[in-house]
Amino acid sequence: DQQVKQNSPSLSVQEGRISILNCDYTNSMFDYFLWYKKYPAEGPTFLISISSIKDKNEDGRFTVFLNKSAKHLSLHIVPSQPGDSAVYFCAASGLIVGGSRLTFGEGTQLTVNP
Amino acid sequence: KAGVTQTPRYLIKTRGQQVTLSCSPISGHRSVSWYQQTPGQGLQFLFEYFSETQRNKGNFPGRFSGRQFSNSRSEMNVSTLELGDSALYLCASSLGGTSGGGNEQFFGPGTRLTVL
Repeated sequence: DQQVKQNSPSLSVQEGRISILNCDYTNSMFDYFLWYKKYPAEGPTFLISISSIKDKNEDGRFTVFLNKSAKHLSLHIVPSQPGDSAVYFCAASGLIVGGSRLTFGEGTQLTVNP
Repeated sequence: KAGVTQTPRYLIKTRGQQVTLSCSPISGHRSVSWYQQTPGQGLQFLFEYFSETQRNKGNFPGRFSGRQFSNSRSEMNVSTLELGDSALYLCASSLGGTSGGGNEQFFGPGTRLTVL
């Protein structure tokens, strides 16, 4: 049962344009969502998070949007840079759904072309 | 502040052997979680330790075990290794809250285990 899904395995974007990565979840008990970036042979790096009481959180070039009714979140990167090329994972947690345990999506490979 | 460190970075073992992986969390972090990453299953939660106690456990067989020491360092042990245990094992540390808010997990570089 895949509770967190990233339906796009890959995304290719031109440098300077917007990258939009999407994530859907099925368990309405999730109350906290995070995005991680991962380079090969490294551990995931935390990017940005959002609580279920908010619908938007912004940090520099990264913005996460949460649509609770649709059980959907997205990560916007503006402007995209070649160094952003990596695999992006969304993750979810919930106080009564495993506490601090993170449930991850399958990841989306983002390629930013110069 | 130093990040999460994991040792060793690479390991090669044969079926039936056992292995111990080590994780040192960020200073001040009291929670350590372990995850397994494989191409087929993605990132899967193994277990979490907080204040030397296992607080949360994923759906892995009993061959996978762990412990945490008083300084928050953690070890993970896999006994009777199988070919399917080949994976990247990641450790993550956090302050230790029971829900996500302000309790983001920070990952180490991982230990690449290959079972032959």
